[in-house]
Parts: sequence; structure tokens; C-alpha cells
Amino acid sequence: GENVEQHPSTLSVQEGDSAVIKCTYSDSASNYFPWYKQELGKGPQLIIDIRSNVGEKKDQRIAVTLNKTAKHFSLHITETQPEDSAVYFCAASKSTGGGNKLTFGTGTQLKVEL
Amino acid sequence: KAGVTQTPRYLIKTRGQQVTLSCSPISGHRSVSWYQQTPGQGLQFLFEYFSETQRNKGNFPGRFSGRQFSNSRSEMNVSTLELGDSALYLCASNRGVNTEAFFGQGTRLTVV
Repeated sequence: GENVEQHPSTLSVQEGDSAVIKCTYSDSASNYFPWYKQELGKGPQLIIDIRSNVGEKKDQRIAVTLNKTAKHFSLHITETQPEDSAVYFCAASKSTGGGNKLTFGTGTQLKVEL
Repeated sequence: KAGVTQTPRYLIKTRGQQVTLSCSPISGHRSVSWYQQTPGQGLQFLFEYFSETQRNKGNFPGRFSGRQFSNSRSEMNVSTLELGDSALYLCASNRGVNTEAFFGQGTRLTVV
């Protein structure tokens, strides 16, 4: 089955700096790659996603890049703010076979310091 | 528009007991998935239901089961609880396949 690895497990940045989180996946059939943010006491919330027919996607301060050949994708957060502090998860899934099944990375605890 | 609602938010059970968790998806969403979240194993897929049928299943023992009703609400049941079942159980609903999964706030289960 699919395996998703995520690095780093913790990341501390100064406010205003950029943060980058990287993930690799194993199943070449995976074609949907969402990123979730989870704050304490809450469920994960989608912040951005990318499909395999796109190499890059941007939404204001957040961007995601995908390299299908290398089977890795990355989350980029620019101009970080204290409210960006949370745990971030990458995930992968595929449409073949039908259904919704997300395989998650192990998470990155991001801390934005003032 | 109401989000995904999970009840109860917190549960404390004793080893050997069974428990039932409930999930109401976003209106119009027919796919409901369940995930277990623990510090050691992270977020792991349990199963997915669509139109009252289990469509996908993760690698969990048969003690974990679920069902979905005609109104798309779903329940999951864990029988013969073990200490290792202590976790945050998350429910997610999707409008279609490989679309955004909307998560509820979860049910925190503690087994003592």
C-alpha cells in the first residue's frame, strides 16, 4: 500500500520567515495530494491541495509543489505569522479503485516565534 | 452550512467494554470515512462508507466496525476495548471521490 514520509517532524521559524515541509510517497498511482493544518483540540482542516496533472499551486502565502518523477511534494509558507503555528499533515490518495482513502504523513509541528 | 458533527466529544471506557461513536456528515456528502489518530501511529484510515456500503477498509482488526444509514450518518463501533484503542477518532465526509475531506472535531476515547 501507499506510504507517505514527512520531514521535518518539528520546525521552528521566526515570524516573517518562510517554512518548508517536504513529503515523499511510494505509490505512483497516487494522484491527489492535500495538506491539512490541525490546531489543538480541532480536526484537520484542508489548507491547499494539488493534483498530479499540476506541478505547482499557490494560494496567497501558501504554495505546494509536486514532482511526480521523484514522487515528492512540498508545502511552502511565506511570511509566517504566529497563527500559522500548528501541526501540518501531508497526505496522498488515488482515484483508481474508487473511494476516498487518505494516507497521511507523520506530521510537522510548526512553531512561529515572535 | 453545518460542518461534520461528531458525538460524543469525549468518552472514558473500561477495558473489555464496547463503544459506539457517531458522525453526521455535511449535508449532501454521501462518503464518510473514519480515522484513528494517536501520537505513536499518527492518522490511520479505518474505513469508508458510501451509500450504506463499506467501500474501503484499512488494516484494523475486526473489533472495529462501522455502518452508514440512509441519511448518510455513520457510526463506528469498537468491541472488547483495549488500552491501545485510546485515541482521537476522526470522521471525514467528502462530496465526491478524491475531493476535499472535511473533518469533524473528533471523539477522544480513553480506555482505562
